[in-house]
Formats: sequence, C-alpha cells, structure tokens
Amino acid sequence: DAGVTQSPTHLIKTRGQQVTLRCSPKSGHDTVSWYQQALGQGPQFIFQYYEEEERQRGNFPDRFSGHQFPNYSSELNVNALLLGDSALYLCASSWDRDGYTFGSGTRLTVV
Amino acid sequence: GIQVEQSPPDLILQEGANSTLRCNFSDSVNNLQWFHQNPWGQLINLFYIPSGTKQNGRLSATTVATERYSLLYISSSQTTDSGVYFCAVLGGTASKLTFGTGTRLQVTL
Repeated sequence: DAGVTQSPTHLIKTRGQQVTLRCSPKSGHDTVSWYQQALGQGPQFIFQYYEEEERQRGNFPDRFSGHQFPNYSSELNVNALLLGDSALYLCASSWDRDGYTFGSGTRLTVV
Repeated sequence: GIQVEQSPPDLILQEGANSTLRCNFSDSVNNLQWFHQNPWGQLINLFYIPSGTKQNGRLSATTVATERYSLLYISSSQTTDSGVYFCAVLGGTASKLTFGTGTRLQVTL
C-alpha cells in the first residue's frame, strides 16, 4: 500500500521565480493538506483540499495557491518566490477524520 | 485556534534510559497524533490516540482528553530514537491538524 508520495525531493529556485510541488495521497484518502516547515520550527498549515475545493486556509499570502485533481492528487504553487519561502514543504493525506499520513517532503531552497 | 504546547523542548538521554514527553492542548480534540521526525525530515506517525492508552514495542502513549493532555513514553531508548517528536491535534470544527512546538531528543551512547 503506497503511502504519500511527493515530488520533487529537492529544488533550488531563484527569487521571483514560480514553483510547483506535487503530492499523491495514500490509497483511500481523499483529503490533502499542505504544510510549510522552516528550519528548527514545527510544520505550519498552508491549506487543505477536499473534493477539489480549498476547504481551509492558514495564514499564508495569495502567492501560495493549490489545486486538487479528480484522482485526489494535489499541487502547491508558489509565485514570486522570496528567500523566506525556503523550507521543507510537507503534504499529508487523510480520510474523513482519520489519522494523517505525511510524505517525505520537498526541500525548497530559494537563492 | 487551539494551542498545543510540548515539554520539555530539549532532552538528552543516555542509551537505555526511559523518558516521558508531554503534550498539553487548550481545547477538546477529535484527533491527536504523535509523530517522530527523522533527520531527513520524514514525519513518521507513531500513534493515533484521541483518548486512552496504546502501546507499540518500546513506545506507549496515553491521552486524557478530559484533562487536555497526552503523554508519550519511550523505554530503553536507542540512538535511533533521536530526532524531534511532535504532538498534533485536530480540534473542534477545524479540519486542519495543529502541531505543537516539538521535543528534540538526543540519545547518546
């Protein structure tokens, strides 16, 4: 049973560029959440997608946007990258209010 | 929103020692999970425990929902237990998982 898959694992981008991160949920899970984790801190909630709609959003600017596809997979897009966007981006999937399963993350470095 | 605090923030143990990590939360919860984050960043689910007690090998966890806290017990610690332990909760009508501040554990030989 495949867990949560994220791609790419590492990424280096230049300030001002745009980036797209991808996530495939665990089999049977229909909800995808995205988190940002800066070095030395806990994960911070970005947003959650359910039935292809954004269900809840954290305190992140509109530069952060997402999408969920009919097969439940999801993308996180970040526009106009800033140095402060450098972080580990984690995707989690869940079903109803079942436990969350996290992927291995994408480490984004903005230079 | 719900607040989650963990203690202690840092812990250094000698291999073979036991430890207790605590998680306090400010409101009733529908879900509580303990995670271990390894040095590569992977968040590994240890327990899904909104209430009661569970055990898995050398690890066990207890959540007392009425008193708004959870405990994670690590017995006979090993160097591979090193990393950061997070408590995360799903509270009230919220659909997002809120993380605590984490406990950084280092197990030495």
